[in-house]
Amino acid sequence: KQEVTQIPAALSVPEGENLVLNCSFTDSAIYNLQWFRQDPGKGLTSLLLIQSSQREQTSGRLNASLDKSSGRSTLYIAASQPGDSATYLCAGGGSQGNLIFGKGTKLSVKP
Amino acid sequence: EPEVTQTPSHQVTQMGQEVILRCVPISNHLYFYWYRQILGQKVEFLVSFYNNEISEKSEIFDDQFSVERPDGSNFTLKIRSTKLEDSAMYFCASRDSNEKLFFGSGTQLSVL
Repeated sequence: KQEVTQIPAALSVPEGENLVLNCSFTDSAIYNLQWFRQDPGKGLTSLLLIQSSQREQTSGRLNASLDKSSGRSTLYIAASQPGDSATYLCAGGGSQGNLIFGKGTKLSVKP
Repeated sequence: EPEVTQTPSHQVTQMGQEVILRCVPISNHLYFYWYRQILGQKVEFLVSFYNNEISEKSEIFDDQFSVERPDGSNFTLKIRSTKLEDSAMYFCASRDSNEKLFFGSGTQLSVL
C-alpha cells in the first residue's frame, strides 16, 4: 500500500531564499507524482506533474524532480516570495488518477 | 479559465441525515473524483468515476456513499446516513488529457 511522507512538516524562510521540499513514497510503481499548493480554506492547485518515465518538470521558479528507484521527489522553489506561503502537498498517482497524498509542508516566507 | 465548481461551500446536517454534495467538473474532462480532508489530516481518495461508472474506490467509500452523474454536467456525492466522523472538507476533481487533476474549492461538511 502506497504511503507518502513529506518533510519538513513546516518551514519558515526569509524572502528571496531558495528552498527544497522533500517527499518520499514507499511504492516505486507510481504512475505519476504531482505537487499541489493548498491555501487555507481553499482547494488544491496543481503545480507540477511528473510522469513515471520523467525525471523532472519545471514551471517558472518551481522545479520538481522524481527518483523512482529511491522513492523520492523534491520541489525546489527559487527566490521565494511571501506569496509562496501555503501548504505544499505531494501525491503519488495511479493510472486512474487516484492520488495518495502526503500530509504536506506548511511554508511561510517572511518579507 | 475553466474551473471545477462545488456547491454548497458549507453544509451543516444532523447525524443520520442524508446529504448530497454537488460538483460541476470541467466540461471536456472524462475522469471525475471525490476526495476528502478531515481537519488536520491528509487529503484522502474516495472514488473515481469514468464512463458513467465507478472505476476505483477506497476503503472509506462504503455502502453509505454513492456517486452519480445525473446529467451531462453535474457530478454528485451522496452520503446516505451521515455520521459524526463524516465531518470533513469534500473536494471534487476532474482530470485533463495530460492527467493533471483540477480541484474544486470544496464543501465543508459538518455533522452535528
